[in-house]
Amino acid sequence: DTGVSQNPRHKITKRGQNVTFRCDPISEHNRLYWYRQTLGQGPEFLTYFQNEAQLEKSRLLSDRFSAERPKGSFSTLEIQRTEQGDSAMYLCASSRTSGGARNTDTQYFGPGTRLTVL
Amino acid sequence: QQPVQSPQAVILREGEDAVINCSSSKALYSVHWYRQKHGEAPVFLMILLKGGEQKGHEKISASFNEKKQQSSLYLTASQLSYSGTYFCGTGVLIDSWGKLQFGAGTQVVVTP
Repeated sequence: DTGVSQNPRHKITKRGQNVTFRCDPISEHNRLYWYRQTLGQGPEFLTYFQNEAQLEKSRLLSDRFSAERPKGSFSTLEIQRTEQGDSAMYLCASSRTSGGARNTDTQYFGPGTRLTVL
Repeated sequence: QQPVQSPQAVILREGEDAVINCSSSKALYSVHWYRQKHGEAPVFLMILLKGGEQKGHEKISASFNEKKQQSSLYLTASQLSYSGTYFCGTGVLIDSWGKLQFGAGTQVVVTP
């Protein structure tokens, strides 16, 4: 496995601009997760996909946030009209689920995209 | 609601032991432990499932107490490489199948 990759690694933008991040999961992993991490905190769940279906969205994910996973491969996370409060590390993780018991998949994290909104 | 980790930070000398606790107010199905070094991605250490099974990774082991909805991570004979922030991620019974809730982390510093 080559691991989960994320691009870009760093993004600096001005308030009000739109940004898009990309995540490429480990090959053949059917689940993909997005988390947000701020300094001194653990990852906060945003959303996850099983194949191309988005199965859950956190209440943290306002209307300005949208995520897609076309064809069940890579995923994009878009933030529209960015605000300073959006500054954080955005982490992507992937797992391979057999569809059995819940919450038992091992999630492998990518290096993250650090967003700074000026 | 995120799990509560304690302590927030611990400083060890090489060779010493430490215990990190992770407690939830909700019934848990699984507990996942990760270690994150500064500027890097969280790295998976181990997973514990409902049933109290204890698993190990090198000299790092963990336990899961269902009655208390608590997991403990044991760092034995710590090495310099153990430094980092340890997070527990909990799979809650009432939540969806993929979701994990992470604690705020325990920062571990191992000194020579």
